[in-house]
Amino acid sequence: SQELEQSPQSLIVQEGKNLTINCTSSKTLYGLYWYKQKYGEGLIFLMMLQKGGEEKSHEKITAKLDEKKQQSSLHITASQPSHAGIYLCGADGNTGKLIFGQGTTLQVKP
Amino acid sequence: DADVTQTPRNRITKTGKRIMLECSQTKGHDRMYWYRQDPGLGLRLIYYSFDVKDINKGEISDGYSVSRQAQAKFSLSLESAIPNQTALYFCATSEGAIETQYFGPGTRLLVL
Repeated sequence: SQELEQSPQSLIVQEGKNLTINCTSSKTLYGLYWYKQKYGEGLIFLMMLQKGGEEKSHEKITAKLDEKKQQSSLHITASQPSHAGIYLCGADGNTGKLIFGQGTTLQVKP
Repeated sequence: DADVTQTPRNRITKTGKRIMLECSQTKGHDRMYWYRQDPGLGLRLIYYSFDVKDINKGEISDGYSVSRQAQAKFSLSLESAIPNQTALYFCATSEGAIETQYFGPGTRLLVL
């Protein structure tokens, strides 16, 4: 079965610093989703990537899917306290079901 | 109004009790899902339904059952709750296979 591994598991950065979260799949990704979750709350959809080499940006968050479609990265530029939360990658292994990584907890210190 | 709603938002129950979590959606999606979230384990799929007559087991279906009463409603039941079912439960919907899943706000369940 397909598995997703996120790294790092947790991250503490100073406000204004850049950071990257990685998501690696054991199999080819047919759809890669990034979600953000505030502690104990629902998930907020950030971006979906489908094509090898695809890159999408929204405000200060950029997500990329590598050419082989087995790894994605989420990059935050000039982090702010509002970026704090848990970031989850989810993947569709062409079964119609999403599987998720274990999440990356981000803290941004003012 | 929220597109995906869950009730209750919080619930405390005792071991052995039967409990039902409900999910409703106004997005008109055929596909609905139930997940649970535990610290350090991410989200794990419990059950999913691709339409009203379709029910499928997910990764961790033991101890749970579901009912798809209508396109807009998908309920999750714990027939006899146990403490390791304490978790945050999410309902989600999607329009098709490779489509974004939209999540409800979650139900926090504590089994004593």
